[in-house]
Amino acid sequence: ETGVTQTPRHLVMGMTNKKSLKCEQHLGHNAMYWYKQSAKKPLELMFVYSLEERVENNSVPSRFSPECPNSSHLFLHLHTLQPEDSALYLCASSQDLEGGSNQPQHFGDGTRLSIL
Amino acid sequence: GQNIDQPTEMTATEGAIVQINCTYQTSGFNGLFWYQQHAGEAPTFLSYNVLDGLEEKGRFSSFLSRSKGYSYLLLKELQMKDSASYLCAVVDSNYQLIWGAGTKLIIKP
Repeated sequence: ETGVTQTPRHLVMGMTNKKSLKCEQHLGHNAMYWYKQSAKKPLELMFVYSLEERVENNSVPSRFSPECPNSSHLFLHLHTLQPEDSALYLCASSQDLEGGSNQPQHFGDGTRLSIL
Repeated sequence: GQNIDQPTEMTATEGAIVQINCTYQTSGFNGLFWYQQHAGEAPTFLSYNVLDGLEEKGRFSSFLSRSKGYSYLLLKELQMKDSASYLCAVVDSNYQLIWGAGTKLIIKP
């Protein structure tokens, strides 16, 4: 139990569907992150939120749309995805913005996304 | 560019010792993390090094040499449950986390 919960754990969707991934952290952290993890590749940082404000968008296609309604919840809205978007999507949180000190990030178990 | 290198896969025997290396070239350095990730699960924090030397934490130890851009994770008395991927990540001068692709460790009886 890491204190970060992601739902759903698995998602299969067609390229024309719209779905959302949900992340909730119970750690009282101020920063939250979305990562994409593909096989044998480094974690790709997608979005960073600090105190509910988006502070980073790493050139992510607009078919991915994040939302952070409060410091405990983070969503990733998906629409018209491509087959290459199939991956594990990880949510993480940290006390404050990434790497500012020796604060580790706490990860959820991820959503395994498959695009048909 | 920034780069983190780790072996893709390693195999070791239960009860033995294994060393997983990580070399990095980054714009600045503000610390290095090691994470463990079991298949289908969340990466979990193992260690953080910012000064040169060895940090020991039970069966796991992490070493850092900033001058060489090098770290290793040492796992002793290997157990089957240590089969996992081990991720190295460096904090650069902008306090961004730069991730390696991970090392898949296979433990054999």
